[in-house]
Amino acid sequence: QVQLQQSGVGLVKPSQTLSLTCAISGDSVSSITVTWNWIRQSPSRGLEWLGRTYYRSKWSNDFALSVESRITINPDTSKNQFFLQLNSVTPEDTAVYYCVRVIGGVFDTWGRGTLVTVSS
Amino acid sequence: ETVMTQSPATLSVSPGERVTLSCRASQSISSNLAWYQHKPGQAPRPVVYGTSTRATGIPARFSGSGSGTEFTLTISSLQSEDFAVYYCQQYTNWPWTFGQGTKVEIK
Repeated sequence: QVQLQQSGVGLVKPSQTLSLTCAISGDSVSSITVTWNWIRQSPSRGLEWLGRTYYRSKWSNDFALSVESRITINPDTSKNQFFLQLNSVTPEDTAVYYCVRVIGGVFDTWGRGTLVTVSS
Repeated sequence: ETVMTQSPATLSVSPGERVTLSCRASQSISSNLAWYQHKPGQAPRPVVYGTSTRATGIPARFSGSGSGTEFTLTISSLQSEDFAVYYCQQYTNWPWTFGQGTKVEIK
């Protein structure tokens, strides 16, 4: 059974960087049949897909237009995990962040979520 | 991007009742529509994908239907464990997008 374990800081100051980690068990971050995604949820934006990383014959990323200038998603094959970094955060980035495995467009396995609050 | 609109925002129902949730896409998405259940403090989980295929472990009281732009999720007889927020999501047009959710609450 695939499980995703999230970790990271829950309080970030404005203009700083949000960093989260998603550790994978039961699958490989290098799997060629899935993608590894970050989604966030807030009352104002609902469920918002942020970006993904995946391996096919090389590593690739896709990002939402709303955050593409500020986001980084990287895999760590040695620890079978992947990371989210979101730079220059504002209070608008306050949300619950989820890491999610996607197969064929279906978000089939989710982490438990991490509430990240942007506040000074 | 494809906008997904769910209705109603909230449904107040009694256990045992039949429930129908609606999801409309701003453009055709064929049958690439999934539904997710989200309970407080838990990870969301897929209920239905491909419009009508139940995900692993989902009981038969859940059924999905529709095509093109109009979709429904029906719970034939609501159980206590079904009270949750349900989201639809399309995976035809990039980027994948979600509806804003329907909360099914106890009447």
